[in-house]
Parts: sequence; C-alpha cells; structure tokens
Amino acid sequence: GQSLEQPSEVTAVEGAIVQINCTYQTSGFYGLSWYQQHDGGAPTFLSYNALDGLEETGRFSSFLSRSDSYGYLLLQELQMKDSASYFCAVLLSGGYNKLIFGAGTRLAVHP
Amino acid sequence: EPEVTQTPSHQVTQMGQEVILRCVPISNHLYFYWYRQILGQKVEFLVSFYNNEISEKSEIFDDQFSVERPDGSNFTLKIRSTKLEDSAMYFCASTLAGGSYNEQFFGPGTRLTVL
Repeated sequence: GQSLEQPSEVTAVEGAIVQINCTYQTSGFYGLSWYQQHDGGAPTFLSYNALDGLEETGRFSSFLSRSDSYGYLLLQELQMKDSASYFCAVLLSGGYNKLIFGAGTRLAVHP
Repeated sequence: EPEVTQTPSHQVTQMGQEVILRCVPISNHLYFYWYRQILGQKVEFLVSFYNNEISEKSEIFDDQFSVERPDGSNFTLKIRSTKLEDSAMYFCASTLAGGSYNEQFFGPGTRLTVL
C-alpha cells in the first residue's frame, strides 16, 4: 500500500520559521512534491525533490532523504498569507506521474 | 499565464442522476488527471489519461466513472449514477510530460453536491 504521514496542524507567528515533516511508504518512487492549498482553492505546486538534499525557492525550501523515506518543507519569514494547508505528495514511478497525497498539514499564521 | 479551467464551479444533482464535469487542460500538455477531495480530507487520485486512453485508475474509479477527451481541448469526467458519497471537490490537472516530470497544474475544481 501507499501511505504518507504529516502533522495535521501547525501554528506559528508572523516572521517565524516552520518545518512540516512528511514520511512516506510507497511502492515506486520518483520524488516528493509539496503543494499548497488555500481554503476553497486548488492545490498549487511549491517544490519537488527527486534527489537527496535541500532545494530552495525563495522563502520555501524542501528537503528529501530517500534512505529515510522522509522529507520536509521549510517555510521562512512567515506571512499571514501563508496560512493554508500543505500537502506532501509522492510522485510514483511508472511513467504517468501519478501523485499520492498525504492528509495535509493545516498551517495557521498569527500576528 | 496558461491555466487549467473547469466548469461548472458548483454542480448540485439528485442521487442517481448523471453528471459531466468539464475541464480544459493547458493546451500543450499531454497528460491529464482527475482527482477528488472530500471536504476536509486529502486529495485522492482517480484517473490518469494519456494518448486518448486511460493509463491508470484508482479503486475509486469504478464502472460509474468514465473519462473522455471529445476534442482537442476538453477533458471530461462523467459519473453515470451519482451517489451521496460522490459529493466532493473534483480537480482536473494536467502536465507537460510523463516520467519524472514533476509539476502538475490543477484547475480550480468543481464542487459536486449530491442530494
């Protein structure tokens, strides 16, 4: 089977740094993606890691350790607009880019 | 900037009725997907579509569901006889290439309410 685990909720204040962890157990693995979803909105792509290490994109960074089946999303200099749900998603191998999503982490940023 | 579009934004139907959800993927994309998200839950893969045929489908995608690309731009999801448990947000997504190409572009979704 396929399973991804991430915390259900995280709370932080503006300007802080928060890390959202994701562990996965899947058969077939190309890489780990992160998507952001605001209430009522569509998932939007944030980042992708296929290889071990850290990928940085502005205030957001994502990390992957394939040997540990573990990754995280790091959000720096938090802003109120970062309040949203964040999903890790495994891109499965097999050629058709099937994404398996975690249950999502709801991030609340407070002043 | 190109985007995936979906219509309608909200569909209300009676149990047992057929519904068709419509999507226009990004024009040069080759792989198309439907996902669903029951309120407050995770996004679930339904089906992937490439080269005018289903490439993979989940256990959710039973005989009540079908997909079609009737022309060069539209991609539709049909639910033949809706059930209460089909109430969810349905997202269409597309991507440029297969293999390890990683970014899927999601449409704004269709909220399906089955009464």
